[in-house]
Amino acid sequence: SAVISQKPSRDICQRGTSLTIQCQVDSQVTMMFWYRQQPGQSLTLIATANQGSEATYESGFVIDKFPISRPNLTFSTLTVSNMSPEDSSIYLCSGQTGFETQYFGPGTRLLVL
Amino acid sequence: AQRVTQPEKLLSVFKGAPVELKCNYSYSGSPELFWYVQYSRQRLQLLLRHISRESIKGFTADLNKGETSFHLKKPFAQEEDSAMYYCAPTPPTNAGKSTFGDGTTLTVKP
Repeated sequence: SAVISQKPSRDICQRGTSLTIQCQVDSQVTMMFWYRQQPGQSLTLIATANQGSEATYESGFVIDKFPISRPNLTFSTLTVSNMSPEDSSIYLCSGQTGFETQYFGPGTRLLVL
Repeated sequence: AQRVTQPEKLLSVFKGAPVELKCNYSYSGSPELFWYVQYSRQRLQLLLRHISRESIKGFTADLNKGETSFHLKKPFAQEEDSAMYYCAPTPPTNAGKSTFGDGTTLTVKP
């Protein structure tokens, strides 16, 4: 199994600014993902964080808006750039082990004013 | 394209009643099948996966390859089962990305 922590747990930001969310896993995982989740809604995959290379983005998400880094097997960051109120959401990090099971972080609750 | 359908967005049952949360999928190949659960104010977590053939918290899930369904069942629902449930087929490889359904919010009434 894997235990995932995220920082910050929540933030309130002004439009036009950027926020970087950190994700730390307590053990090595094969895959790391970033999701967005509206309260009570399903998860929308933003991108797969690839170690040492550019992230793989899903349709509708671009690197300029959501730059992602993964410098090693246990750490990743997601930046939400040039924020607008539409970016208000919960951002989740997950790590996937070789048995395809995903372990999720507690989420970062973002409110953009 | 991979698709997973959870037809009920909301499901409400009384304590002690049987409950079934439906999941249908359209998937190329033979995915691994998972159910994840999110209790109020808690993180999303694995409930069960098909390959384990386990019963977790009294829940079981039967894979029907003919109907491509993986419904989650429990014979006697408890109030603590109230949560959001997600079905998630996943390619059986190291690089597989899960496809999450829209989720079903289960409410178990006293």
